[in-house]
Amino acid sequence: GEEVAQTPKHLVRGEGQKAKLYCAPIKGHSYVFWYQQVLKNEFKFLISFQNENVFDETGMPKERFSAKCLPNSPCSLEIQATKLEDSAVYFCASSQFGSGGYEQYFGPGTRLTVT
Amino acid sequence: QQQVKQSPQSLIVQKGGISIINCAYENTAFDYFPWYQQFPGKGPALLIAIRPDVSEKKEGRFTISFNKSAKQFSLHIMDSQPGDSATYFCAASILLFSGGYNKLIFGAGTRLAVHP
Repeated sequence: GEEVAQTPKHLVRGEGQKAKLYCAPIKGHSYVFWYQQVLKNEFKFLISFQNENVFDETGMPKERFSAKCLPNSPCSLEIQATKLEDSAVYFCASSQFGSGGYEQYFGPGTRLTVT
Repeated sequence: QQQVKQSPQSLIVQKGGISIINCAYENTAFDYFPWYQQFPGKGPALLIAIRPDVSEKKEGRFTISFNKSAKQFSLHIMDSQPGDSATYFCAASILLFSGGYNKLIFGAGTRLAVHP
C-alpha cells in the first residue's frame, strides 16, 4: 500500500500482560523503524530492520521487548510483561533502499495503555 | 553527542505572521535534517528536509535555513494559518553506506498555535 499501516489503534493491557503491535510498511520499502513517543512528546528510537534483518537495535530494552519483520507478513513489536512505563504511542516508519528515496514515512501509531 | 535541541517549546503566532522554530545539533556526522508536523492523534508527517550542502530550501510557505558552521537549522512558516497549528519536530540522521538513512534523532517538539 501507499501508507504505513499499524494495528491495533489502541491497546490496553494490565501490568505484566503481553502486548503485540503490528506494522505493514509501504510496499517496496526495505527499511522499517519503530519509535516510542511518550507523554511529553519525546520520540525514542527502538529498532530498525533492513528487510527481515535487524539493522539497529540500540534502543531496544532487550529484556522485555522483541521485534520481527518476516517475509510476506506485517512486522511486529512485542512487549512481554508490560510495565506502567511502557504506556506510550508506538510508531512504525518505513523508507526505501538506495539513493533518492530516503524519507521516513510514519504510520498512525498504536496507543498502548498499561494499567 | 546524539542530541538535537529544539526551541521554543511553544509558540503563539497571529494569522499571517511568520513562525520560526530553531534546532541545534552536536554530531557533525549528521547529514540529513527533516522537519515533521504532527497533529493530535496522528503520526508525524514529513514537511520538508535539507542536506548540509545547501543553506536554504523552500517549499511553498515552508523554508529551512541551515547554518553548517553553527550546527543550527530552523524552520520558517510564512503567512501562518490556523490550520498550521500542530506540533513540529526537527530531526537529524546519518546517511548509510548502503543507501537510505539511519534512525531519526528527534528534537523535543514545538507546539505551534496560530490565532485567527
